[in-house]
Amino acid sequence: SQTIHQWPATLVQPVGSPLSLECTVEGTSNPNLYWYRQAAGRGLQLLFYSVGIGQISSEVPQNLSASRPQDRQFILSSKKLLLSDSGFYLCAWNAGIDSPLHFGNGTRLTVT
Amino acid sequence: AQSVTQLDSHVSVSEGTPVLLRCNYSSSYSPSLFWYVQHPNKGLQLLLKYTSAATLVKGINGFEAEFKKSETSFHLTKPSAHMSDAAEYFCVVTSNTGNQFYFGTGTSLTVIP
Repeated sequence: SQTIHQWPATLVQPVGSPLSLECTVEGTSNPNLYWYRQAAGRGLQLLFYSVGIGQISSEVPQNLSASRPQDRQFILSSKKLLLSDSGFYLCAWNAGIDSPLHFGNGTRLTVT
Repeated sequence: AQSVTQLDSHVSVSEGTPVLLRCNYSSSYSPSLFWYVQHPNKGLQLLLKYTSAATLVKGINGFEAEFKKSETSFHLTKPSAHMSDAAEYFCVVTSNTGNQFYFGTGTSLTVIP
């Protein structure tokens, strides 16, 4: 069966520090991969999605970036965190058109 | 353009009573629709999905939803609420290409013992 792993579960980082969140999927090949951010008490905002290795689409201009170095690995990065980057970050995958998203357990990021 | 409206930001029910969480969508095509549940500090879990088959969709944990094209609605129901149902619920619609997802703003369900 397919599983998705996302880490770390929680992270506290100072303003201006770098960020790297990692997500991996097991049990499937060539998944679509997504990064979402969920601010407190609000819905989900799509940050990036990828349909293949090295293919990244950005939905929202920001100081974050994403990379997909391997088929089932998706990384969210920042060179310098802002206070506004605090939130709950969720990685997700799906198998293709109209197939449902499957989410990781999320990373709670607090920028201080 | 696609959009999703969850009509209630908060719903409160007593344990053992029915649950109704309302969702309306706007779309120029026949989308796929999903309901997800999110418990605190957890990822979203798929409850059920509609992909142009039967209009009444049964999901996990006793939930079901009915797709009504004439009303552009996809309301989530459960006959009898359980304490463990207390969570945030999201209605989701796909894009016309089927590879992007539009989320409602969520409905917080409280279950009173």
